[in-house]
Amino acid sequence: NAGVTQTPKFRILKIGQSMTLQCTQDMNHNYMYWYRQDPGMGLKLIYYSVGAGITDKGEVPNGYNVSRSTTEDFPLRLELAAPSQTSVYFCASSYGRESEQYFGPGTRLTVT
Amino acid sequence: DAKTTQPPSMDCAEGRAANLPCNHSTISGNEYVYWYRQIHSQGPQYIIHGLKNNETNEMASLIITEDRKSSTLILPHATLRDTAVYYCIVRLYNFNKFYFGSGTKLNVKP
Repeated sequence: NAGVTQTPKFRILKIGQSMTLQCTQDMNHNYMYWYRQDPGMGLKLIYYSVGAGITDKGEVPNGYNVSRSTTEDFPLRLELAAPSQTSVYFCASSYGRESEQYFGPGTRLTVT
Repeated sequence: DAKTTQPPSMDCAEGRAANLPCNHSTISGNEYVYWYRQIHSQGPQYIIHGLKNNETNEMASLIITEDRKSSTLILPHATLRDTAVYYCIVRLYNFNKFYFGSGTKLNVKP
């Protein structure tokens, strides 16, 4: 199993541009999550999904959108990128609510 | 909110046990305590979790006090590869609040 994969690894965006961060898991997990991590800080939950077609907001959802059309994929959309969205983005998945979360390698995003 | 409090950093000699404390004084009855670690800038790695009883796996032991207001993660024989930021997390009843906090930077020294 590849586990959780994320693309791209790095990206530089100009202010106002949009992009989609891709996340795929091959473990048939129901739950998927998007986190962001600012320098020197812990992770903050952006959005999560409990299954295909079901998504909900986390702690810091503003400026982001998600969709979950399949069990495997959980893309994160940034509209009108702002410097405050410069961060490292991690995708994770888990089998159930209390199950351990498996994390991807992260996407390092810079908005200038 | 059942947030957690951890010391910002700790040192441990290689081969010795590393004991990482965590306070979660407002934890509720059905909330689990989780431990993850993050090595460099990699994605966090799950270590262990528990509800009331002490837990042990191949990586670590988790000791939860009887009143559940604090816990300790024990790495029995720390190695240089265990140098990482360790996060203690309490999952709130509302699923969308899963606070990682700032964690404890464990420095394992030769």
